[in-house]
Amino acid sequence: GENVGLHLPTLSVQEGDNSIINCAYSNSASDYFIWYKQESGKGPQFIIDIRSNMDKRQGQRVTVLLNKTVKHLSLQIAATQPGDSAVYFCAESHYNQGGKLIFGQGTELSVKP
Amino acid sequence: GAGVSQSPSNKVTEKGKDVELRCDPISGHTALYWYRQSLGQGLEFLIYFQGNSAPDKSGLPSDRFSAERTGGSVSTLTIQRTQQEDSAVYLCASSPSGGDFEPQHFGDGTRLSIL
Repeated sequence: GENVGLHLPTLSVQEGDNSIINCAYSNSASDYFIWYKQESGKGPQFIIDIRSNMDKRQGQRVTVLLNKTVKHLSLQIAATQPGDSAVYFCAESHYNQGGKLIFGQGTELSVKP
Repeated sequence: GAGVSQSPSNKVTEKGKDVELRCDPISGHTALYWYRQSLGQGLEFLIYFQGNSAPDKSGLPSDRFSAERTGGSVSTLTIQRTQQEDSAVYLCASSPSGGDFEPQHFGDGTRLSIL
């Protein structure tokens, strides 16, 4: 079946460093990708999204890169802060799925002060 | 502003009992989704409502699970004859129209524990 997965289950970075969280997806028909941040006891919080007709999109301190050739998605966080500590999920969908998202397993980001 | 609201935030019940979980989507959002998140896992799609269309129930794990959406707004997820494997966080999300390129906005979930 289709799946979206993450290469690294945990990532520990020093405060102020840049973080890169990776995601592999297997459905080449996927046309929309989202990164979510989930803090303990909270629901997933939207960070940034990207359509398949783009390969890069930037937000505030975050950048998402999409490589359709190798079906790879990454989230880059600049100048990582302690408040960035959370579990990060990638999710994908394609137009004939009615908008429902398929989630990866998540990467836990730990920021050391 | 009001986000997606879910109640109760926590529910503990005995095996075999029925439970109802409630979701109030963001005002004006016509699309509503239910997901389940087991401990340390990603989210698993359960069911999707879009306007007056028939819901997409393809993710419901068994016929003990059902959901309704009344008046195009509030939704209730019902689990009958609960089993221990139903223990999880149940998350609700909404989006403006359920379009192809809309992010879904999540509530904080109901943590369900089956004893």
